Amino acid sequence: AQSVTQLDSQVPVFEEAPVELRCNYSSSVSVYLFWYVQYPNQGLQLLLKYLSGSTLVKGINGFEAEFNKSQTSFHLRKPSVHISDTAEYFCAVSTSGTYKYIFGTGTRLKVLA
Amino acid sequence: KAGVTQTPRYLIKTRGQQVTLSCSPISGHRSVSWYQQTPGQGLQFLFEYFSETQRNKGNFPGRFSGRQFSNSRSEMNVSTLELGDSALYLCASSAPTGGAETQYFGPGTRLLVL
Repeated sequence: AQSVTQLDSQVPVFEEAPVELRCNYSSSVSVYLFWYVQYPNQGLQLLLKYLSGSTLVKGINGFEAEFNKSQTSFHLRKPSVHISDTAEYFCAVSTSGTYKYIFGTGTRLKVLA
Repeated sequence: KAGVTQTPRYLIKTRGQQVTLSCSPISGHRSVSWYQQTPGQGLQFLFEYFSETQRNKGNFPGRFSGRQFSNSRSEMNVSTLELGDSALYLCASSAPTGGAETQYFGPGTRLLVL
């Protein structure tokens, strides 16, 4: 069975500072990994995904993530955050043929002026 | 392309009632998944449908059911509502790729059970 751990429930960071949101997964088979963002009272928006190939994945809004198979991690990074990045971020894992995502518990990113 | 749409957006029901939520996927997407989001349990998978067939189901009681129509639209039904069913219900659609299926989410239906 797969599982996802998001180590930080809340991350405060000042505007224009870099940020890293951590995600670790557990799986006995090859995985696909995703990061989604959720703004208040909205659904989930896809930020980026790792399916195969290059381990450094670039997404929307200046976010990127690196797949590290040996450490079973898929941390999300942004070099300079904006107030508008304040939201909840979810890491998710899926495997071929399961037709479902397993989500982490989410990390609330709070960008401070 | 229009995104995933869900109706209604907000719903208030009382315990014991039943409710039906609707989801229209992105045009051309044939897979529809449903998730429940609550502050305590986070995002939990309910079920997934493809070509009117349920391919996977999460660990929810039988009060939670779903179906998919030939046009790929999907509905989920919750019977005999309980207070704990209050949640944001999210629908996601995806196009079959033979491997990883990227899911695109709708805005959700927020259900409050009184």
